[in-house]
Amino acid sequence: SQQGEEDPQALSIQEGENATMNCSYKTSINNLQWYRQNSGRGLVHLILIRSNEREKHSGRLRVTLDTSKKSSSLLITASRAADTASYFCATRNSNDYKLSFGAGTTVTVRA
Amino acid sequence: DAGITQSPRHKVTETGTPVTLRCHQTENHRYMYWYRQDPGHGLRLIHYSYGVKDTDKGEVSDGYSVSRSKTEDFLLTLESATSSQTSVYFCATEAERSYNEQFFGPGTRLTVL
Repeated sequence: SQQGEEDPQALSIQEGENATMNCSYKTSINNLQWYRQNSGRGLVHLILIRSNEREKHSGRLRVTLDTSKKSSSLLITASRAADTASYFCATRNSNDYKLSFGAGTTVTVRA
Repeated sequence: DAGITQSPRHKVTETGTPVTLRCHQTENHRYMYWYRQDPGHGLRLIHYSYGVKDTDKGEVSDGYSVSRSKTEDFLLTLESATSSQTSVYFCATEAERSYNEQFFGPGTRLTVL
């Protein structure tokens, strides 16, 4: 079953703007990961945040995690055309090593 | 892509025919996974392997079987393809049970007519 659910399903922004997408999940997790998928390609790992962390940064990416609300957000700052892709959250459950993926958010960055 | 290749990259086949997809990795990763990706569903786990000859089912395993005779190769077989198995199939690997990231192959687009 799908553990994470992203919101919104699609997002269109102007180059230079920030993009924010959210992920909600249902069960206790060990960590939450975000992946990017460019059209016609495989998924690429972006960032991982552990259950005892609240915020993490990597370049223009900022991830937050609120375990009390079972939710996470991914912020991409100063977006570029190359950020156009689908973004997926994936949860690693506490007692199950499998990754569970959400349906993804499609981000379009307009030049 | 962490040295993961998938073959074929595209395949069109007829209902009822057997199909085998291959995943090959050069990273010596112990864990390997097969997912399918369909619109609105994200990625769903079909089967996974935790070592040579050690495999187990995922959430959507019906109609699929797998084999792993070597560390580097993980095969997914559709015994008798159906139209509902039209999808994009991704292989992924993971080094050890580190709870960290998975590395994905480029995918195989399978169409069952």
